[in-house]
Amino acid sequence: GQNIDQPTEMTATEGAIVQINCTYQTSGFNGLFWYQQHAGEAPTFLSYNVLDGLEEKGRFSSFLSRSKGYSYLLLKELQMKDSASYLCAGILTGGGNKLTFGTGTQLKVEL
Amino acid sequence: DVKVTQSSRYLVKRTGEKVFLECVQDMDHENMFWYRQDPGLGLRLIYFSYDVKMKEKGDIPEGYSVSREKKERFSLILESASTNQTSMYLCASSGGNTGELFFGEGSRLTVL
Repeated sequence: GQNIDQPTEMTATEGAIVQINCTYQTSGFNGLFWYQQHAGEAPTFLSYNVLDGLEEKGRFSSFLSRSKGYSYLLLKELQMKDSASYLCAGILTGGGNKLTFGTGTQLKVEL
Repeated sequence: DVKVTQSSRYLVKRTGEKVFLECVQDMDHENMFWYRQDPGLGLRLIYFSYDVKMKEKGDIPEGYSVSREKKERFSLILESASTNQTSMYLCASSGGNTGELFFGEGSRLTVL
């Protein structure tokens, strides 16, 4: 299956910028999602990249390089409420819209 | 407001019991999914369905079955629950071209 790798945990300071990386196998890949999940809650959609480049949406941006099998999620002006798990997920060609998830990056925002 | 609804937030069952987890979506989505989520392992796909009465195995189907008799409803069945099936179960649906998943609130199952 598709291997998706991301760091297990990260810590950052309120007001700062943090970048969460995600790498994946490039064969059969058809798009990459980022989801946010607060403890005890369902994942919620943040971004979707299918083409190379940067997609900006408020304080959150997501970048994709298909040739390198690499994506990152950039969070600016960090707030305490951004403390959550961030899930990278890939969708495969011919996979019928089936997403494969990484194990998630637990982000802790500190004062 | 679009929604995916799971029937139970918390369940406690005994080993060997049959367990039904129900999921209903109101977005007329073709695709529905069941994942389980465990610490350190992330979300793993159990089964998914492209259409009514259609089902496909995901990455970890052993010990589970599913039913999709109506487009809006996708049920996960544990024929004989075991302690290693203690987990958070998440239902999701998707439609359209992007494949964006909409998740339910999750069902936390404990098997004693």
